Amino acid sequence: EAQVTQNPRYLITVTGKKLTVTCSQNMNHEYMSWYRQDPGLGLRQIYYSMNVEVTDKGDVPEGYKVSRKEKRNFPLILESPSPNQTSLYFCASSIQDRGVNEQFFGPGTRLTVL
Amino acid sequence: SQQGEEDPQALSIQEGENATMNCSYKTSINNLQWYRQNSGRGLVHLILIRSNEREKHSGRLRVTLDTSKKSSSLLITASRAADTASYFCGGSNYKLTFGKGTLLTVNP
Repeated sequence: EAQVTQNPRYLITVTGKKLTVTCSQNMNHEYMSWYRQDPGLGLRQIYYSMNVEVTDKGDVPEGYKVSRKEKRNFPLILESPSPNQTSLYFCASSIQDRGVNEQFFGPGTRLTVL
Repeated sequence: SQQGEEDPQALSIQEGENATMNCSYKTSINNLQWYRQNSGRGLVHLILIRSNEREKHSGRLRVTLDTSKKSSSLLITASRAADTASYFCGGSNYKLTFGKGTLLTVNP
């Protein structure tokens, strides 16, 4: 089954404790992206990647890191989480053909930073 | 910068009525996409319209694109209670970004 998986789905952590949210897709997509969703602010892009070893900042990259060492994986790293990073996070992937095409979204990771 | 700003922010209609949502974007795009989100879940792709297309249909969905005005509209005909969700548009060039969405409520 074609899908995007994220782990963990729920996480409560404390300020400053490094964490990684994993994202994996099985569709051989070139493009992958991370978004955060907060009430009243819609979906804001954190980072995106157009292919292996190619990553770029989105609109809200501060406090986050990513890597794309393999095509299928695109982990999101919070080196020192802070309470303002409490949010709902989505990973998505897509082929790239004359722009980004239909994105497939993961189920989301609800992160709480205390 | 967001490549998609939806209007209105919220829309409430009765079952059977049509719902129209609008989207504006800022820079040139290759395509524009509409997505639907049920509360707290991931977005689901509805329809993609390319920059050289003006109108596209899919079932009860009709999308228009006006590149001169940098705007798009999504029409859902004969709405159902199950259409209640948030709807997002996203403009794509080398990346895809979204607006804040329109919350559609369809009352039975």
